[in-house]
Amino acid sequence: QVKLLQSGAALVKPGASVKMSCKASGYTFTDYWVSWVKQSHGKSLEWIGEIYPNSGATNFNEKFKGKATLTVDKSTSTAYMELSRLTSEDSAIYYCTRTGTRWFAYWGQGTLVTVSS
Amino acid sequence: DIVLTQSPALAVSLGQRATISCRASQSVSISRYNLMHWYQQKPGQQPKLLIYRASNLASGIPARFSGSGSGTDFTLTINPVQADDIATYYCQQSRESPPTFGGGTKLELK
Repeated sequence: QVKLLQSGAALVKPGASVKMSCKASGYTFTDYWVSWVKQSHGKSLEWIGEIYPNSGATNFNEKFKGKATLTVDKSTSTAYMELSRLTSEDSAIYYCTRTGTRWFAYWGQGTLVTVSS
Repeated sequence: DIVLTQSPALAVSLGQRATISCRASQSVSISRYNLMHWYQQKPGQQPKLLIYRASNLASGIPARFSGSGSGTDFTLTINPVQADDIATYYCQQSRESPPTFGGGTKLELK
């Protein structure tokens, strides 16, 4: 069955960067786009961007350009997202999802990022 | 960006019908495809896909969930509501990039 296993919670200082992972299993990793979605505490969901593992092609929400970098390691079926120049506004849960024509059928369990000094 | 508007909360009794609405700021339909999707999220869990393309039940989702609508107005119906359905429900459009989500409707017990 399809599984997306995300890395654990991170506590990071303002101005620093954080890199989180999403390990896929149960399907051919290179066949599907992987999206990342942000959920701030108690709030709704925001699409950050997506990456196609086969080619490395990416698409981003304009709001997150320059904030998020998406990469993959095909050898381990793992997608990564790095967030830079962190502020308190970046404190949130970040989900990776397997994208099916821009709806999100499978979700990781989420990675909680807390930005605090 | 396309803005999706949902009522913040809906109170319902167990065994009754719940109707959750989502209104888009512009049409999210292309020919016969209605590009609206619905998710359920329980506290401390990731969202779960319920309905894709407005009316198609996702794999493993009980038949008491159904979706309808076209253009700018969409509805998720749960009938009958069970205790396990108490959660927050989000609509999401894929008509235009970026995909956007509604603010969520919290289903509560009356």
